[in-house]
Amino acid sequence: GDSVTQTEGLVTLTEGLPVMLNCTYQTIYSNPFLFWYVQHLNESPRLLLKSFTDNKRTEHQGFHATLHKSSSSFHLQKSSAQLSDSALYYCALSVSSGSWQLIFGSGTQLTVMP
Amino acid sequence: NSKVIQTPRYLVKGQGQKAKMRCIPEKGHPVVFWYQQNKNNEFKFLINFQNQEVLQQIDMTEKRFSAECPSNSPCSLEIQSSEAGDSALYLCASSLPGQGIYEQYFGPGTRLTVL
Repeated sequence: GDSVTQTEGLVTLTEGLPVMLNCTYQTIYSNPFLFWYVQHLNESPRLLLKSFTDNKRTEHQGFHATLHKSSSSFHLQKSSAQLSDSALYYCALSVSSGSWQLIFGSGTQLTVMP
Repeated sequence: NSKVIQTPRYLVKGQGQKAKMRCIPEKGHPVVFWYQQNKNNEFKFLINFQNQEVLQQIDMTEKRFSAECPSNSPCSLEIQSSEAGDSALYLCASSLPGQGIYEQYFGPGTRLTVL
């Protein structure tokens, strides 16, 4: 079945350093839709990025990601981490199987230290 | 910012009691999803609707859970007989499909605690 893998459960880094959170997916469908959601403590997930176009960079609020269908990846990056970026980050997949449900990865807890 | 409204924000029930939560999707969004996020932050899709029709629901939803999205009324998710394992954050999301992409916007959630 369809699945999303986030290899890092916990990422801790110092303010100002670059961020890269990994996301790979598996699906039999040729036109997947990939999303990054961010969830701050005691809040609900908020859509950060979305993409369905192969090899096209998408950017929002300083974060960017590129969908690479050849490697089934959609890694999240930011050039310089801020303290306010500390949160849970989820990569999610949606496919045209009829329900369009989001299939979430296990999440990566990003902690940015001063 | 999401304009999905969920009530109540917190719900405390005893085992065997009914638990009902509501969701008003963002205006103009015809598709509504319900997810359960457990204490380990894992998400489980429960059910979704397009207008008033069920698109898909999982087995769990078919047994103790019931849901509906009547026209001109909030959508609702009800657990007929709550169990301790139902304690979780229940998230409603709405979507306006465009270009074939169903990006989903989440409400604040209803946190259910079953004692």
